[in-house]
Amino acid sequence: GESVGLHLPTLSVQEGDNSIINCAYSNSASDYFIWYKQESGKGPQFIIDIRSNMDKRQGQRVTVLLNKTVKHLSLQIAATQPGDSAVYFCAGERGNNDMRFGAGTRLTVKP
Amino acid sequence: NAGVTQTPKFQVLKTGQSMTLQCAQDMNHNSMYWYRQDPGMGLRLIYYSASEGTTDKGEVPNGYNVSRLNKREFSLRLESAAPSQTSVYFCASSRQPYNEQFFGPGTRLTVL
Repeated sequence: GESVGLHLPTLSVQEGDNSIINCAYSNSASDYFIWYKQESGKGPQFIIDIRSNMDKRQGQRVTVLLNKTVKHLSLQIAATQPGDSAVYFCAGERGNNDMRFGAGTRLTVKP
Repeated sequence: NAGVTQTPKFQVLKTGQSMTLQCAQDMNHNSMYWYRQDPGMGLRLIYYSASEGTTDKGEVPNGYNVSRLNKREFSLRLESAAPSQTSVYFCASSRQPYNEQFFGPGTRLTVL
């Protein structure tokens, strides 16, 4: 069946290192993707989005890469900081207002 | 500018009881959504309202009803709560369907 999922449930990095969080999707009709960050006890917070006509999009310290051939997207966080510790979700929209979320990757930043 | 607000923050119900979760946004957004979040799972869409006056089912609508009261407010009702509805519920809004969504702080619901 269709799904949006993440390769790893947890990721631990050293402060200052770069983080890469991966996500795979199964529906080739998905044309819009979003990465969210969720801190403990809070609602998800938008980080960055990308449409299927793009391969890469950059924000402040974050980059999203989209590989439509293998149906994979990644979130790269540069110079990871303690405040980046959270659960990160990818979500994909199939073009009919149906958006599916992955289960999330918990990023832990070690000082 | 409060963004998206949800009430209550916590609620405990007994099986069979009913309740309404309230959501309001002050960003003049057209679209609003209700999600549930269960441990180890991603957010799942219950219902959404693409614009004032319209509502549509999402991935897991059974056992729920919604009302888009006006452009600001979107409520979620559980008519007869079941233990399977124990979850954290998030309301969200966006300027247009599935643009960047802004989420509320969530309601933690326990059904005994």
